[in-house]
Amino acid sequence: AQSVTQPDIHITVSEGASLELRCNYSYGATPYLFWYVQSPGQGLQLLLKYFSGDTLVQGIKGFEAEFKRSQSSFNLRKPSVHWSDAAEYFCAVYGQNFVFGPGTRLSVLP
Amino acid sequence: DTEVIQTPKHLVMGMTNKKSLKCEQHMGHRAMYWYKQKAKKPPELMFVYSYEKLSINESVPSRFSPECPNSSLLNLHLHALQPEDSALYLCASSQASRALNEAFFGQGTRLTVV
Repeated sequence: AQSVTQPDIHITVSEGASLELRCNYSYGATPYLFWYVQSPGQGLQLLLKYFSGDTLVQGIKGFEAEFKRSQSSFNLRKPSVHWSDAAEYFCAVYGQNFVFGPGTRLSVLP
Repeated sequence: DTEVIQTPKHLVMGMTNKKSLKCEQHMGHRAMYWYKQKAKKPPELMFVYSYEKLSINESVPSRFSPECPNSSLLNLHLHALQPEDSALYLCASSQASRALNEAFFGQGTRLTVV
C-alpha cells in the first residue's frame, strides 16, 4: 500500500528566507509524486509533479522539488518565500489513486 | 479549460434533508473522484469513477451515494447525514485512473450538517 509522511506539521519562515518542506513516501513500484498547495477554504492547486526522468523538477510560483529514490523523499523547496505562499502544502503519491500526506502548514512572517 | 466546477460552494442541511453536490469538468477526463476533507486534515478518498463506472468505494457509509450520469458530470447524493459529516467535499478529475497525470481539483463544497 502507498503512504506519504510529512514530518513537519507547521513551519514558520520569514519573508525572503528559503524554504524546504519534507516529504517521504512508501510505495512498492515507481512512484508518481506531487505537491499541492491549498489556501484556506479553497481547493488544491498542483505545484509540480514527478513521473520519471530528471529528478529535479520545476513547478509554478518558483517552487522546485527533488526526487531522491535512495531516501524515498520528494522535498519541496523555494529560494525566497513570499507572504502569499502562506498556505497548507500536501505531498501526494499516485499508485492506484491519489494518497495525500498529512500536510504542512506554512506561515510567513513579514 | 482546465477547471473542475463544483456547486454549490456552501451548503447547510438538516439531518433529515436530501441534497446533492455536483461536479463538472470538460477536459475529457475519464476518471473522477470525491474526497472528504476535515479541518486541518488531508483529503480522504471516498469514491473513484473510471469511465463512468464506480471503481473504488473506500467503505463510505450508504448515506453518501455517488452518481456519474456521463463522463463530464459527477454527483454526490446526501441523505440522513450526521453532524460529523460536516466537511469540505472536493471533486477531482484526471485523464484516467491509471494514467500518468495529475488530478485537477475543484474549489470544494463546504458542507455543514445541523
